[in-house]
Amino acid sequence: GAGVSQTPSNKVTEKGKYVELRCDPISGHTALYWYRQSLGQGPEFLIYFQGTGAADDSGLPNDRFFAVRPEGSVSTLKIQRTERGDSAVYLCASSLSTGGAEAFFGQGTRLTVV
Amino acid sequence: KQEVTQIPAALSVPEGENLVLNCSFTDSAIYNLQWFRQDPGKGLTSLLLIQSSQREQTSGRLNASLDKSSGRSTLYIAASQPGDSATYLCAVDSGGGSNYKLTFGKGTLLTVNP
Repeated sequence: GAGVSQTPSNKVTEKGKYVELRCDPISGHTALYWYRQSLGQGPEFLIYFQGTGAADDSGLPNDRFFAVRPEGSVSTLKIQRTERGDSAVYLCASSLSTGGAEAFFGQGTRLTVV
Repeated sequence: KQEVTQIPAALSVPEGENLVLNCSFTDSAIYNLQWFRQDPGKGLTSLLLIQSSQREQTSGRLNASLDKSSGRSTLYIAASQPGDSATYLCAVDSGGGSNYKLTFGKGTLLTVNP
């Protein structure tokens, strides 16, 4: 596709359940990022992939959060044992690998934990 | 730790006015700075990207300036229109390009009244 695609657009889950959020980056973009945006806040960095490997996962809040990008394209953010505090919009972005390249964001997945 | 502050938090203006949004950051060692637009329930749209070596960037009615030494950026919007109503986010990249990690402000909510 022409832009970054995220699915689902909305996800409601019960506390304690496991969820997966998917991101399809722009074709040819080797860098991929996940951010989380809580209500009234700016997005906060979670994890950055360069190709298949996680180059920086320092933003993941705890070990319930995990992300993969096995073939260097689609990425999945996985959250185990969800908590109400995980409710937020999860944004994915991608860019060319060259330094300082512009980031293109997807529409986000709104996760609500009830 | 890099911190980004945006002032004002909200701004309401009549159509046709020129306006300035402000962004400040605490660590001047940035790689670049971006201004984004976010519409309700939507993802982020990149408006302007300024490399650390640049002073300003222009796109149509938008002009962004960067004073890296003082840790400040401004986004100037000329002849505002109701369609400009959105949240404007400032983000700095302190990750050095190859390790790309944006720190966002909380945004300025702009309302342009017809």
